[in-house]
Amino acid sequence: AQSVTQLGSHVSVSEGALVLLRCNYSSSVPPYLFWYVQYPNQGLQLLLKYTSAATLVKGINGFEAEFKKSETSFHLTKPSAHMSDAAEYFCAVSDTGRRALTFGSGTRLQVQP
Amino acid sequence: GAGVSQTPSNKVTEKGKYVELRCDPISGHTALYWYRQSLGQGPEFLIYFQGTGAADDSGLPNDRFFAVRPEGSVSTLKIQRTERGDSAVYLCASSLEAGELFFGEGSRLTVL
Repeated sequence: AQSVTQLGSHVSVSEGALVLLRCNYSSSVPPYLFWYVQYPNQGLQLLLKYTSAATLVKGINGFEAEFKKSETSFHLTKPSAHMSDAAEYFCAVSDTGRRALTFGSGTRLQVQP
Repeated sequence: GAGVSQTPSNKVTEKGKYVELRCDPISGHTALYWYRQSLGQGPEFLIYFQGTGAADDSGLPNDRFFAVRPEGSVSTLKIQRTERGDSAVYLCASSLEAGELFFGEGSRLTVL
């Protein structure tokens, strides 16, 4: 069964610094990969998704993620953090034949002024 | 409505009681999903509907949990004989495309 591992339950960066949130996947077939964000008191929102069209995927709010098959990774990055990026971020995976997503345990991003 | 709507937003019940949680998906979305999220954890898949039928119910933890979607739109998650371990936020999502799930804000269930 497919799964994802998010390294670091909490990440703290300074405003303007690089954001790097790590996600490694385990899947027996080429997966679909996703990043979702959950702002306080809001539902989960899709940030970006990888479906094999391009290895570098750009999402909303300046985030992007790169699919690296050799490292089984799909890390999320943003060049310059903003205070409004403070939220919980979830990596998710689905096999091509299955609609349901399997989520990681999440990484809470704090942005310090 | 514009988004996925879940009711109630909060439900407090006593151990052993029956609970129903309702989800109203985005109009036209054929796929509907139920997830459960415990504190400090990611969402855990429960069940997925395509139209009226449950296409994948492999995540339901036991036979106390049941979900229906009789007309292919609104869905109800039903929990019988609730236990304290059922306390969590129950999330509903709907989608047109694979993976692009649109989530509601959840129903927080507390079992005393």
